[in-house]
Amino acid sequence: IAGITQAPTSQILAAGRRMTLRCTQDMRHNAMYWYRQDLGLGLRLIHYSNTAGTTGKGEVPDGYSVSRANTDDFPLTLASAVPSQTSVYFCASSQTSGVADTQYFGPGTRLTVL
Amino acid sequence: GQNIDQPTEMTATEGAIVQINCTYQTSGFNGLFWYQQHAGEAPTFLSYNVLDGLEEKGRFSSFLSRSKGYSYLLLKELQMKDSASYLCAVMDSNYQLIWGAGTKLIIKP
Repeated sequence: IAGITQAPTSQILAAGRRMTLRCTQDMRHNAMYWYRQDLGLGLRLIHYSNTAGTTGKGEVPDGYSVSRANTDDFPLTLASAVPSQTSVYFCASSQTSGVADTQYFGPGTRLTVL
Repeated sequence: GQNIDQPTEMTATEGAIVQINCTYQTSGFNGLFWYQQHAGEAPTFLSYNVLDGLEEKGRFSSFLSRSKGYSYLLLKELQMKDSASYLCAVMDSNYQLIWGAGTKLIIKP
């Protein structure tokens, strides 16, 4: 099945715990992105990767880290979760970066930090 | 700073036409995207404009004026399934998408 999968679908997490959100795509897209979506705000870019082996910081990177060991996977890690990281997290991918390629989104992970 | 403005909420009647506006101020411009997002779901791509003018795709059309920093999404023959949020996003000079907060469209029978 072509597309992007994310896991878990939802999670409730105690503050201070470490958490990794998983994202896998099978479209062989070079570029991948992590966004958070909060009520009343637009999607905000956390981190991105233009190609396997490279990553970059987006608008709101603090408290998050990513890795891109291969083309398909782009996990997002919260080293020590805080309540302000309660949000819906979307992973996205596009064929390339540096051109106006359409981004395709995964189903999202709803994270609650207590 | 970079800014994308769109109305928070709009209401329209089934079968009618609705226009959702988007104004933007960004550092550079590499095109404007419209996405649809149903509640609890992922955004899905609707349209892309990089040149001035109207792009038509079935019941949906999107217009762009780069000199005015303005776009609109036009939805015709509204159906109940069009009830969703519509997100406007501009690709800036770094090829990163800057997103508006979205317009929640409510369709009434």
